[in-house]
Amino acid sequence: AQKVTQAQTEISVVEKEDVTLDCVYETRDTTYYLFWYKQPPSGELVFLIRRNSFDEQNEISGRYSWNFQKSTSSFNFTITASQVVDSAVYFCALDPYNTDKLIFGTGTRLQVFP
Amino acid sequence: DGGITQSPKYLFRKEGQNVTLSCEQNLNHDAMYWYRQDPGQGLRLIYYSQIVNDFQKGDIAEGYSVSREKKESFPLTVTSAQKNPTAFYLCASQVQGGYGYTFGSGTRLTVV
Repeated sequence: AQKVTQAQTEISVVEKEDVTLDCVYETRDTTYYLFWYKQPPSGELVFLIRRNSFDEQNEISGRYSWNFQKSTSSFNFTITASQVVDSAVYFCALDPYNTDKLIFGTGTRLQVFP
Repeated sequence: DGGITQSPKYLFRKEGQNVTLSCEQNLNHDAMYWYRQDPGQGLRLIYYSQIVNDFQKGDIAEGYSVSREKKESFPLTVTSAQKNPTAFYLCASQVQGGYGYTFGSGTRLTVV
């Protein structure tokens, strides 16, 4: 089965706190792609990162960082020093090899309070 | 600027009516997708098309229909057979090869 699990339905933090959003995936493919998208209140999903299954290097982009661990089938997303503008729903997604169809998790709603 | 345009942003439908949601892209992407989003359920795939004049059912195709007569356009019709159509509908496109989707801004459909 191909599946993405985001166990955290909602997270609330105060500005400047660090927060980690969890993502666990299931696939039998050895080649696949993982993504994170942000959905602000406006509704449009915004691409954050793409990672292929052969690249386990962690990535940092400003206050955002991603930890990809194939051993635990996880692709977690950390926001450092969170800001109110980070408030959104965040989706993790899996693109199994040769399907070109994204399988989404149910999303994690992050609320950052001032 | 390249992107995906969905219209209308808000749509109200009476019981028993068919309605069509528009999705147009100028990204020259081959593949296009329709997703439905309900609170707490993430995104569910309705239909997708990887080439003009061809499309496949997704996980929840019942009560919906699509066409792909042009590369740029992938309209979705919500028919009267769809029992619970109130939802947020998102259109997406991508270049094939695992590069991820570009999304439109969505259409919020409400049955009145």
